[in-house]
Amino acid sequence: KAGVTQTPRYLIKTRGQQVTLSCSPISGHRSVSWYQQTPGQGLQFLFEYFSETQRNKGNFPGRFSGRQFSNSRSEMNVSTLELGDSALYLCASSLVGDYQETQYFGPGTRLLVL
Amino acid sequence: KNEVEQSPQNLTAQEGEFITINCSYSVGISALHWLQQHPGGGIVSLFMLSSGKKKHGRLIATINIQEKHSSLHITASHPRDSAVYICAVPSGGSNYKLTFGKGTLLTVNP
Repeated sequence: KAGVTQTPRYLIKTRGQQVTLSCSPISGHRSVSWYQQTPGQGLQFLFEYFSETQRNKGNFPGRFSGRQFSNSRSEMNVSTLELGDSALYLCASSLVGDYQETQYFGPGTRLLVL
Repeated sequence: KNEVEQSPQNLTAQEGEFITINCSYSVGISALHWLQQHPGGGIVSLFMLSSGKKKHGRLIATINIQEKHSSLHITASHPRDSAVYICAVPSGGSNYKLTFGKGTLLTVNP
């Protein structure tokens, strides 16, 4: 069974631009969560989607948004990029997002904002 | 919001040593996760604990719900165990809105 895939793996953008990152969960998984990891703040929860609906949201500005498609693939978008958005963005999937489930992480997208 | 504290931040050990990493949290929880992150960024979920103890190979995780504390132990450590170990707990009333510890960087020397 294929793991969680994320594209692109690396991305360089300039301030003010926008970016879209993609996550394909493990087949059959309907819950997708997104995380941001920076050296200063560590791992932080962005949002979680289940069956095309955002169920949970972290404390990030409205510039960060996401969506989930009917095939459970998910995208996140960051508009008006700032230098501080440089980070590793990880997505993780699980069957239904129950707290007793294991989350499976993708390799991440490393975003550099210049 | 649940505050999560991990200790130590950095740990260097010799191959074969017994390792303990600690995690404390401030608010009662339903489950706690231990994650492993290797250089390069890939994260693997090691354990999900809601009570007691779990063992997987040389890794053992324990949790004390009353004391809001969990430990991750590695027996007979090996250089391939070198990684960052992160604990995470639910916060904000949602089981998948996780709050993460800052991580423990473990280096095991041969």
